[in-house]
Amino acid sequence: TQLLEQSPQFLSIQEGENLTVYCNSSSVFSSLQWYRQEPGEGPVLLVTVVTGGEVKKLKRLTFQFGDARKDSSLHITAAQPGDTGLYLCAAGTYGNKLVFGAGTILRVKS
Amino acid sequence: EAQVTQNPRYLITVTGKKLTVTCSQNMNHEYMSWYRQDPGLGLRQIYYSMNVEVTDKGDVPEGYKVSRKEKRNFPLILESPSPNQTSLYFCASSLGKAYSGGGHNEQFFGPGTRLTVL
Repeated sequence: TQLLEQSPQFLSIQEGENLTVYCNSSSVFSSLQWYRQEPGEGPVLLVTVVTGGEVKKLKRLTFQFGDARKDSSLHITAAQPGDTGLYLCAAGTYGNKLVFGAGTILRVKS
Repeated sequence: EAQVTQNPRYLITVTGKKLTVTCSQNMNHEYMSWYRQDPGLGLRQIYYSMNVEVTDKGDVPEGYKVSRKEKRNFPLILESPSPNQTSLYFCASSLGKAYSGGGHNEQFFGPGTRLTVL
């Protein structure tokens, strides 16, 4: 069983649509990160959120950390083909470990 | 250009034939680690190194060895590969430990090595 559950597993949308992907757990985390991984490349860090309820924006991407620090969401506005990739969440546990979710594969069609 | 490099990028081998995947970083980072990525399981840490000659097991170390003789290099060794080690492998480096109670250090990942063991 994954400590971090990401949903949906796969998402295929048209350019210009909005979307939200989720990262959920029954555990409480001290912080959470989102990465994007493009085909043939390694993950690249997008954002780190550390405070319950925190919202961070990165251009068209909005990241939210749940009030209870058990979940997070990534919302993309007006998706573009360049947003295509695997989106991974990773959480810092109180046991000083970094655990990754399995990811959401996003495909944006032009 | 600051980067983490891995070689080879693709490797097909047979059960039991020893292999080494190299990893090198040019950012003078203290911390390096190896992950494997499998469908539905995400990234799982194999081994990590806090500094030269200091290595420790991650979550899935069985069947792997590492060494850290120089700060910039962190090779992954499979002494006797088996089919269940078929996976996508990533090396990563950061200034400090990826995560500790004091917060995160941004990890920089290499491009990955796709290994198939027949």
